[in-house]
Amino acid sequence: AQRVTQPEKLLSVFKGAPVELKCNYSYSGSPELFWYVQYSRQRLQLLLRHISRESIKGFTADLNKGETSFHLKKPFAQEEDSAMYYCALSAYSGAGSYQLTFGKGTKLSVIP
Amino acid sequence: KAGVTQTPRYLIKTRGQQVTLSCSPISGHRSVSWYQQTPGQGLQFLFEYFSETQRNKGNFPGRFSGRQFSNSRSEMNVSTLELGDSALYLCASSLAGANEAFFGQGTRLTVV
Repeated sequence: AQRVTQPEKLLSVFKGAPVELKCNYSYSGSPELFWYVQYSRQRLQLLLRHISRESIKGFTADLNKGETSFHLKKPFAQEEDSAMYYCALSAYSGAGSYQLTFGKGTKLSVIP
Repeated sequence: KAGVTQTPRYLIKTRGQQVTLSCSPISGHRSVSWYQQTPGQGLQFLFEYFSETQRNKGNFPGRFSGRQFSNSRSEMNVSTLELGDSALYLCASSLAGANEAFFGQGTRLTVV
């Protein structure tokens, strides 16, 4: 069975400081990993996915299969980055179905 | 393009009652998944429907059930409600399985 671990429940950083949200996973197959974000009073939305290897809102994430990690990074935090961040793993579960398994989330608070 | 719509947004029910939640996916999306979100357990997968068939099911008791209609709209039902069923129930739709899921605002269920 797959598992996603986000070790930090809460992460506070000052505006302009670097941010790293940690995510570790366990999965026997080839994983597809995502970061989702939930801003206050908004719906959960996709931030980025590892296969696209793009930077969204200044955030990047690199899949490290050796360390089974997919940490989310941003060099300079902004106040508008304050939100709940969820790491998720998509695994094939048969019959054409993929199942998303989420970590428990990290609340990022950017201090002005 | 309209997003995923969940109704109602809030519900208060009494223990032992049953409840039905509704989800309208993004037009053209045939896969609908349901998740339960609680502060303690985070986001947990309930089940996934595709073309009116349940393709995948999470580890929840049989009191939790769902269905999907020919227009891809989905409902989930919880019978014999327990206090522990109080949660935010999220619906997500996608074009093909769990990759790039789009979430609704959720239905906040409170069981008293």
